Amino acid sequence: EVQLVESGGGLVQPGGSLRLSCVASGFTLRNHWMHWVRQAPGKGLVWVSRINEDSRKTHYAESVKGRFTISRDNAKNTLYLQMNSLRGEDTGIYYCGRDHGGYNSIDQWGQGILVTVSS
Amino acid sequence: DVVVTQSPLSLPVTLGQPASISCRSGQSLAHSDGNTYLSWFQQRPGQSPRRLIYRVSDRDSGVPDRFSGSGSGTEFTLRISRVEAEDVGFYYCMQGTHWPWTFGQGTKVEIK
Repeated sequence: EVQLVESGGGLVQPGGSLRLSCVASGFTLRNHWMHWVRQAPGKGLVWVSRINEDSRKTHYAESVKGRFTISRDNAKNTLYLQMNSLRGEDTGIYYCGRDHGGYNSIDQWGQGILVTVSS
Repeated sequence: DVVVTQSPLSLPVTLGQPASISCRSGQSLAHSDGNTYLSWFQQRPGQSPRRLIYRVSDRDSGVPDRFSGSGSGTEFTLRISRVEAEDVGFYYCMQGTHWPWTFGQGTKVEIK
């Protein structure tokens, strides 16, 4: 069974940092692009970032570019999102997602982890 | 970014009756490779998203056949042939043709 389990969320002050982790099981992580998608409270889904299989290609939404860094450790079956210079508008649930290779979609989602940016 | 617009934003439905959600994109979602990358996701209350449909009309494994997707170009539709209580929640379309991928605002499906 495919599983994605996020961790590392919590309450942080504006300007602070957090690192999210997403542990993958039930499939071979190194064979897939991976994504982060977030959802502000009561709002819709917004794509945040993606990384290719060998970490050579990364992409970011304009709203997080220069502040967030996506990375992965295939040996540990883990995806990361380093979030710096956090703002109130970064508050929300962060989901990691598995790319459905060749179909330009996300076919598996984690349960999500809450990030709250507030003083 | 490609704007994706869903309608309606709220959809009260009667159990056993059909339901339909529209998704329109600001640009054609026909990709140069011949495919059209439009997906539909269901998000039940308190849960993470679950994909129902990809590439306009391909249904995911385990998804009931009462869910179907159709459309082309800039206009797409998710249909539920007979709504069941477990279908309550939000539904999102997402375009994967143009970078960055973008989602619709979501449609809330509830039982009358």
